[in-house]
Amino acid sequence: DGGITQSPKYLFRKEGQNVTLSCEQNLNHDAMYWYRQDPGQGLRLIYYSQIVNDFQKGDIAEGYSVSREKKESFPLTVTSAQKNPTAFYLCASGGSGETQYFGPGTRLLVL
Amino acid sequence: DAKTTQPTSMDCAEGRAANLPCNHSTISGNEYVYWYRQIHSQGPQYIIHGLKNNETNEMASLIITEDRKSSTLILPHATLRDTAVYYCVQTDSWGKLQFGAGTQVVVTP
Repeated sequence: DGGITQSPKYLFRKEGQNVTLSCEQNLNHDAMYWYRQDPGQGLRLIYYSQIVNDFQKGDIAEGYSVSREKKESFPLTVTSAQKNPTAFYLCASGGSGETQYFGPGTRLLVL
Repeated sequence: DAKTTQPTSMDCAEGRAANLPCNHSTISGNEYVYWYRQIHSQGPQYIIHGLKNNETNEMASLIITEDRKSSTLILPHATLRDTAVYYCVQTDSWGKLQFGAGTQVVVTP
């Protein structure tokens, strides 16, 4: 079954802890994206990658890090430097310059 | 900052057409307009996109004004499952999507 998968669906973070959100796609898309969504708001771009081993900061990259070692995978780490990490995190993929398709999201909560 | 403006909310009767407006007055010649919708606690679902011509697919129709400063998404026969937040999204010069807060559409029986 083709698509974008994100795991886990819910994630809990303790103070000072780094956590990693998984995003995998089997659509053979070159580009992948991470967005953050706060309640009642639209999506804001955190990081994006247009090709393996390359990525760029989006509008709100501080406190986050990513890697793109494989075309299919684009994990996002929420570091302890991100002081307000509680949000809904969405991963998307698309052909370069083409329509983006979104995964189901991961909801991150701080304990 | 989002480049598009949409009404905060709108209601639609089941079985009727839903017409969702969007203003994108700063759009440039090579920037597309995309429409997505998001049902609560799910990822956004792609609906349709266009550059300057009107577009239609199995989900909706997109009408873009000749000056490209506004567009309307048309859901021809709204159902209760169409209740969602609808985002009109403009790409920036790098092809990245710029989301606003969207329109909450409620379809009522």
